[in-house]
Amino acid sequence: AQKVTQAQTEISVVEKEDVTLDCVYETRDTTYYLFWYKQPPSGELVFLIRRNSFDEQNEISGRYSWNFQKSTSSFNFTITASQVVDSAVYFCALSEAVPGNQFYFGTGTSLTVIP
Amino acid sequence: EAGVTQFPSHSVIEKGQTVTLRCDPISGHDNLYWYRRVMGKEIKFLLHFVKESKQDESGMPNNRFLAERTGGTYSTLKVQPAELEDSGVYFCASSQFLVAMDTQYFGPGTRLTVL
Repeated sequence: AQKVTQAQTEISVVEKEDVTLDCVYETRDTTYYLFWYKQPPSGELVFLIRRNSFDEQNEISGRYSWNFQKSTSSFNFTITASQVVDSAVYFCALSEAVPGNQFYFGTGTSLTVIP
Repeated sequence: EAGVTQFPSHSVIEKGQTVTLRCDPISGHDNLYWYRRVMGKEIKFLLHFVKESKQDESGMPNNRFLAERTGGTYSTLKVQPAELEDSGVYFCASSQFLVAMDTQYFGPGTRLTVL
């Protein structure tokens, strides 16, 4: 069965600290896609990254980086030198290789960056 | 380019009443999805339209929920009659292509409270 687990419900860090948000997934498919979304206080889910199951290279985008490890079924997200604007709820999601399939989301991690 | 829009942003109704939520996808996106997040839980899939056709409605909780997408543009989700457990945030998303890897772009959601 498909499942995404974000075990961290809430995290608080002081500005400039690094923080890692964990995401563990379950799927039987060999082809699948993983996503991270950010939900700021305004409510909309903002797309951050997509990763396919055949590409295990880590990705860095500015202060954001993602560590994809198939061996542990994890797709963790690290924010370096956190800022107050990073405060949001972050969702990890899984999509499988069935055309038009639904996204499976985790329960989200609420990140608060304290100035 | 305008993103996914949803109306209303908030709705408070009494049990037994009817509510209609509206979603306008990104122009040119044939795929439209409805999701729901009940407080503290994961975001769950409700259904998927391809143009005006329902591709997958496996997530619809019961027959009190009716979704339409006449003309393949905007979509409405009607709850009639509303029950307490229908409270939550209803998200709409759209994507351009009918492939699992395609990013879904989300709207800000409609927060529904049933009293």
